[in-house]
Amino acid sequence: EIQLQESGPGLVKPSQSLSLTCSVTGYTITSGYDWSWIRKFPGNKMEWMGYISNSGSTNYNPSLKIRISITRDTSKNQFFLQLNSVTTEDTATYYCASGMGPVAYWGQGTLVTVSS
Amino acid sequence: DIQMTQSPSSMSASLGDTVTINCLASQDIGNYLSWYQQKPGKSPKLMIYGATNLEDGVPSRFSGSRSGSDYSLTINSLGYDDEGIYHCHQYYEYPDTFGAGTKLELK
Repeated sequence: EIQLQESGPGLVKPSQSLSLTCSVTGYTITSGYDWSWIRKFPGNKMEWMGYISNSGSTNYNPSLKIRISITRDTSKNQFFLQLNSVTTEDTATYYCASGMGPVAYWGQGTLVTVSS
Repeated sequence: DIQMTQSPSSMSASLGDTVTINCLASQDIGNYLSWYQQKPGKSPKLMIYGATNLEDGVPSRFSGSRSGSDYSLTINSLGYDDEGIYHCHQYYEYPDTFGAGTKLELK
């Protein structure tokens, strides 16, 4: 069974960088699927942020393209999100997730608050 | 980006009712649409993919349909376990986009 778990700071100051880790168990991230970051804002709106494929290529939401980076460490079976120059509008619950099209596997989510 | 207009934003229904949630795509997305159920404090759960296909383990009370660019999720014989927020998601074209969500409550 594929399981994903997010970790990282719950509070980030404006203008700083948000960094999260997704640890994957039950499946090797180089074997298949795309490995995504999706966030849910207060008020329920969801936003797809981007993914890193099983081959290591990336695809980002153009709305975030200059601020976002998704990388991976295949030796640890983890992938990472970095979002630069955050503002209060980046306050959200961040999910790591996986699937090919429909998202079948989700982490539990981690709330990140941007505040001074 | 493809806009997904989801309605209603919230609804209240009774035990045993049949409810329908809709998503209108701003352009053709074929059948590249999925529906998720999300309960408070939990991650979304895939319910329907390919517009009409039931994910394994999802009760047959749930069904998805399509009429042109209009997509619907129907829940028959509503139960208390069906309360939550429902999201539609198009994966036809990057960036993937979601509807604004529908909060379903039981009376």
